[in-house]
Amino acid sequence: QVLLVESGGGVVQPGGSLRLSCAASGFTFSTYGMHWVRQAPGKGLEWVALISNDGSNKYYADSVKGRFTISRDNSWDTVYLQMNSLRGDDTAVYYCVKDAGDWGQGTLVTVSS
Amino acid sequence: QTVVTQEPSFSVSPGGTVTLTCGLSSGSVSTSYYPSWYQQTPGQAPRPLIYTTNIRSSGVPDRFSGSILGNKAALTITGAQADDESHYYCALYLGSGISMFGGGTKVTVL
Repeated sequence: QVLLVESGGGVVQPGGSLRLSCAASGFTFSTYGMHWVRQAPGKGLEWVALISNDGSNKYYADSVKGRFTISRDNSWDTVYLQMNSLRGDDTAVYYCVKDAGDWGQGTLVTVSS
Repeated sequence: QTVVTQEPSFSVSPGGTVTLTCGLSSGSVSTSYYPSWYQQTPGQAPRPLIYTTNIRSSGVPDRFSGSILGNKAALTITGAQADDESHYYCALYLGSGISMFGGGTKVTVL
């Protein structure tokens, strides 16, 4: 069965960086686009980024463009989210999502001094 | 600035039918927006229900159905059950790789 396991969350100071990882299993990873979606505490869902199946195309929400970078390693069935210049409003649970499919359980990122 | 709109809340009686909608601040939703729907209970990750307008995700009961109604995407729950009490989110593909979620609808079964 499909399994998506996020890691790398934690507490970081404003202006800092963090890299999230999402290890995938149970499907042919290299044939699916992958998304990151986040949810601030008590708020709704916000789409963050998408990477195509081969990594050649990447798309970002305006709120993270220029600060976040999505990437993937199809040899390791893993997708990443490099987050730089973090701000308080980036505080959220970050979910890894298989295109038109399953969600991971999420990893919490807290940006606070 | 495009906004995806959803009703903030809905109540439905057990066994009843409720239709949630997903619209755009400007323009009409069509199948070209590949509407999808997700269910989320507190403390849990969202569960995919419907993608590409009306295709149920694996394991989703057929009391959940998706459609286009007028100028909006719609999620209909037929024969509502107590454990359908959740937040429901829609997402639309806006083109050029960009997707956007609606603000969510809180459904109460009582």
